Amino acid sequence: DAKTTQPPSMDCAEGRAANLPCNHSTISGNEYVYWYRQIHSQGPQYIIHGLKNNETNEMASLIITEDRKSSTLILPHATLRDTAVYYCIVRSTTDSWGKLQFGAGTQVVVTP
Amino acid sequence: NAGVMQNPRHLVRRRGQEARLRCSPMKGHSHVYWYRQLPEEGLKFMVYLQKENIIDESGMPKERFSAEFPKEGPSILRIQQVVRGDSAAYFCASRGQGARNEQFFGPGTRLTVL
Repeated sequence: DAKTTQPPSMDCAEGRAANLPCNHSTISGNEYVYWYRQIHSQGPQYIIHGLKNNETNEMASLIITEDRKSSTLILPHATLRDTAVYYCIVRSTTDSWGKLQFGAGTQVVVTP
Repeated sequence: NAGVMQNPRHLVRRRGQEARLRCSPMKGHSHVYWYRQLPEEGLKFMVYLQKENIIDESGMPKERFSAEFPKEGPSILRIQQVVRGDSAAYFCASRGQGARNEQFFGPGTRLTVL
């Protein structure tokens, strides 16, 4: 699976949009981009995933560049409960049985 | 629909004892993954199982660790002769059919080895 690069940390003001970048320059055609988050001491929580089109759900939006080498997770209105480590994962679904390879992620702190 | 259940939530063992961690996947899910998170580190894949079969155990330590997912009952991660370095949070996740389906994680079992 392709590797990802994320900033180690970022702060966001409550009520503002949080834009979390992720680089995955070696992504291949059959690899999806997944985002999970882990709130302190809890199990990871699925947020969203996409292949090449932008995706939106009730939690977030995922913007994938046309060349698929990077993506941005957008939390439209950050709340204090969004403070967590956010993981961007590139995942092959054809030859790795769907297992997730977590990196260090981005520690997001939402401040009042 | 209940989520992924793990028990116990906290487990304390002395060095040399056995630890058994249980995971009940979401209803209808027959694919289970185990991950380990050492203190101050990221999550690492350990093993992937389907009902009664181990599919990928490339992340499992070679000795003392084993996993099963019987036809009936929860998936079990078993650690024999625990050592202090086994102290960690162990998370299991399940998914439905389709490898690109999202995985749903349980709350984890925090193992402390004294």
